[in-house]
This record gives sequence, structure tokens and C-alpha cells, in this order.
Amino acid sequence: GDSVTQMEGPVTLSEEAFLTINCTYTATGYPSLFWYVQYPGEGLQLLLKATKADDKGSNKGFEATYRKETTSFHLEKGSVQVSDSAVYFCALRMDSSYKLIFGSGTRLLVRP
Amino acid sequence: EAGVAQSPRYKIIEKRQSVAFWCNPISGHATLYWYQQILGQGPKLLIQFQNNGVVDDSQLPKDRFSAERLKGVDSTLKIQPAKLEDSAVYLCASSLGAGWGSTDTQYFGPGTRLTVL
Repeated sequence: GDSVTQMEGPVTLSEEAFLTINCTYTATGYPSLFWYVQYPGEGLQLLLKATKADDKGSNKGFEATYRKETTSFHLEKGSVQVSDSAVYFCALRMDSSYKLIFGSGTRLLVRP
Repeated sequence: EAGVAQSPRYKIIEKRQSVAFWCNPISGHATLYWYQQILGQGPKLLIQFQNNGVVDDSQLPKDRFSAERLKGVDSTLKIQPAKLEDSAVYLCASSLGAGWGSTDTQYFGPGTRLTVL
């Protein structure tokens, strides 16, 4: 079935470091891809999305490019801040469906 | 704009007891979702409503879980009787339309953390 695999955390970085969180997917068709972020004590928030191959989603300095050839949607940020500390979830949704299928999440901890 | 509201935020019960969670979606949102998030895992869809009708409940353990969305607005998820493995965060989400399509975003509430002892 359709699934999402994320790199295990926690990922610990110093402030202003470069961030990459890997995400790969398995799907029978061509899904839309999403990154959600969950800050401590809060609900999931949509961070960015891409709906077709080669699309780049971006928001708040984060970027991810939909790579069909490698079935990947890696999350990147050039310079992380302490306030970026959170759990990041990669997810997919098939065009024929509505439900989001999530990866297991990657915890990011940014130290001052 | 008010977000998705959920209550209670935390609940601790003994196994075999019953529990209910409440969700009020964003005003005007036709579609409502309940997800279960077990510690260390991503959320998993339990049930989806479109207005007051069930669209998908294929992953809802119907022997113990039930959900309703009367009048197509707020919703209640119930567990009776609870098991230890039901310990999780229960997330409610809503979206404007049917959930599919490139422009339809699911907005999540803060969740209810359930601990079953």
C-alpha cells in the first residue's frame, strides 16, 4: 500500500546550521506531498506542499522539491532557528482519495 | 478565524472504562476527520465525515469505537470499553471541501491525549 518513510530523529543542530530531513514515499499513482509541523503542545500545521513532479513547496524559509524519479520530498532549510524546534511529518495524499498518509515524524532540536 | 477546537486536552482512564472526545471544526468546513496518533508514529485516519455522513471508517475499530457528527457541525468520538493500546493522541481535523484536490488543506486541532491505565 501507499506509505511514507522519514529519517529517524532526533536531529540536533546548532542555530544557523543547514537542515535536511529526508522523506521518501511509495505510491501506486502520483500523490500530492506535504510537510506538516507540530510544535510542542500544538496541533499539526501545514508547512508546505507540492502537487506534481518537480514542484517546489516553500514557506518560512523551508523548501522541498517533489522528485518523482527518486520518489522523494526532502525538507531543507538554509539556517535553522531555535524556534524551528518541533516534530516534522511528511505525508502523501492520492488524487483519488482524501486521507493523508503520514510518516512517523522527525523531531528537530535546535540549540542556541 | 478560530481554529479547530477539541476537548478535553488530556484524559486518564482505567482499561474497560469509556471515554468521549469532542471536536468543533472551523466554521463552514464540510469535512471532518478523526486521526489516532500513537507515540512515535504518524497520525492514522480513523474516520472521515462529509457534512453528517460517513465517507470512510475502514480503519475504525467498530467493536469499541464509535463516532457521530450530528447536524454536520461538531463531532464526538467514543471508545467503549478502552484498552491499553488505545493510549494515544486523538486529533480532529477539518477541511473546506471533500479533502481531495490540490487546494484543500486539512486544519488540525491540538488533540486529546488519552492515557489508559
